[in-house]
Amino acid sequence: GAVVSQHPSRVICKSGTSVKIECRSLDFQATTMFWYRQFPKKSLMLMATSNEGSKATYEQGVEKDKFLINHASLTLSTLTVTSAHPEDSSFYICSASGLLAGTGEQFFGPGTRLTVL
Amino acid sequence: AQSVTQPDIHITVSEGASLELRCNYSYGATPYLFWYVQSPGQGLQLLLKYFSGDTLVQGIKGFEAEFKRSQSSFNLRKPSVHWSDAAEYFCAVGFSGGYNKLIFGAGTRLAVHP
Repeated sequence: GAVVSQHPSRVICKSGTSVKIECRSLDFQATTMFWYRQFPKKSLMLMATSNEGSKATYEQGVEKDKFLINHASLTLSTLTVTSAHPEDSSFYICSASGLLAGTGEQFFGPGTRLTVL
Repeated sequence: AQSVTQPDIHITVSEGASLELRCNYSYGATPYLFWYVQSPGQGLQLLLKYFSGDTLVQGIKGFEAEFKRSQSSFNLRKPSVHWSDAAEYFCAVGFSGGYNKLIFGAGTRLAVHP
C-alpha cells in the first residue's frame, strides 16, 4: 500500500512554455502533498506544502506565480511550471501524507525529470 | 534553527564490509527520524523510521539505525554491504508543525567496491 505515482517521468520543453506534473496517491487519501526540487547531487528542497482544497504554502524563496500548485482532490496534486526557463531544469519529486500514512510519514513518488531547452 | 547534518558526502566501502552512515540533527524536542535511499534517477525509498520506543530500529534490506538522544544522532548501519547498496542515502527529520514537514540532510553517496 501507500503508492504514489508521478506523470510524466521525464519531460523536455522549450523555454517559455508551461509544464504540468501530476502526483497521484494510488491507494490512500492524501490529505497533504509536498513538492520537492532536487538539484544534481544535492538534497531535496521543499518547495511547497498543499492540503486538499486549500491554497499551497510555499517555502521562502519559491515563487508561487512560477510554480503553481493545485490539490483539488484527495488523490491528485499538480505542479505547473509556468514560462519555464533552463534554470528550472531539475528533478521534481512529490510526496503524500494521509490518514493511513502515520504520523510524520510521507510516501514519495518516483520523480519527474524536467529539462528546459 | 532546525537542521540535519550528514557529515560524510561520499563513502566508499568494499563489498562485505560493514557500513555506518552518520546523521545529526538540531531540534529542541524528540523529532521523527527517517532514512531514505535513492538510486540514480529514482525517487526515495524509505529504509526505516523512528517515532518512539526502542531506540534501535530495523529496516528493510538489512539496515538498522540507532537513535541516541544524548548525541542528537540517528546513524544508519549495515553489517555487510552488497554491491546493490550503492546509492544516495538521505537522513530526514520530521518536525511537528501540522503537516509533517521533513528536513533532509545533504545526503551521503555510497560507492561499493567489489
